[in-house]
Amino acid sequence: GAVVSQHPSRVICKSGTSVKIECRSLDFQATTMFWYRQFPKQSLMLMATSNEGSKATYEQGVEKDKFLINHASLTLSTLTVTSAHPEDSSFYICSAEISSSYNSPLHFGNGTRLTVT
Amino acid sequence: AQKITQTQPGMFVQEKEAVTLDCTYDTSDQSYGLFWYKQPSSGEMIFLIYQGSYDEQNATEGRYSLNFQKARKSANLVISASQLGDSAMYFCAMREGFSGGYNKLIFGAGTRLAVHP
Repeated sequence: GAVVSQHPSRVICKSGTSVKIECRSLDFQATTMFWYRQFPKQSLMLMATSNEGSKATYEQGVEKDKFLINHASLTLSTLTVTSAHPEDSSFYICSAEISSSYNSPLHFGNGTRLTVT
Repeated sequence: AQKITQTQPGMFVQEKEAVTLDCTYDTSDQSYGLFWYKQPSSGEMIFLIYQGSYDEQNATEGRYSLNFQKARKSANLVISASQLGDSAMYFCAMREGFSGGYNKLIFGAGTRLAVHP
């Protein structure tokens, strides 16, 4: 149980275009999902918290106009990287919670490796 | 603010031996959860083990155990009988009971474990 599906797994796009990444909880409803970014050989940095039915909450320093998050349903959140540039190249990984409690782990998708040329 | 510290960028261990990965944390909250995740080179995040701040016994999951020393604010992961497939990046993470909003999962810098035959 607690499967999170993330698509695409890899994407290459040209500078200036937009890319959409989907995150789905397959066997549970996820009111809240979290989006992380990971640079090579570094840790996961939380970008934003996505809550169904309301606006996303962005971490300090994350451009909300660059990284658009939409939590359309209890099983789907999307991250759109708008007007992508080479510095946006990174590994993006989403996660979902079954419970908001502090003792509940997050369940992660397999990540999306974005390369902007 | 919550903080996770992993001071070992890299560790190596001989196959079938035990290894301890260090993690210290800092929080002013009384209620919090500590988690360990494994990230193989493919990128997915695999949840290994959880320890709650009120748990009196150390958590165990198969070959994984968590050495929880609350007064020292440490939550070290012990892997017994290491296998070649254990070679991966390991992240310690924490969720606080209440962070004024969503209960975020914050990660340490990670430790890269290499298991040698």
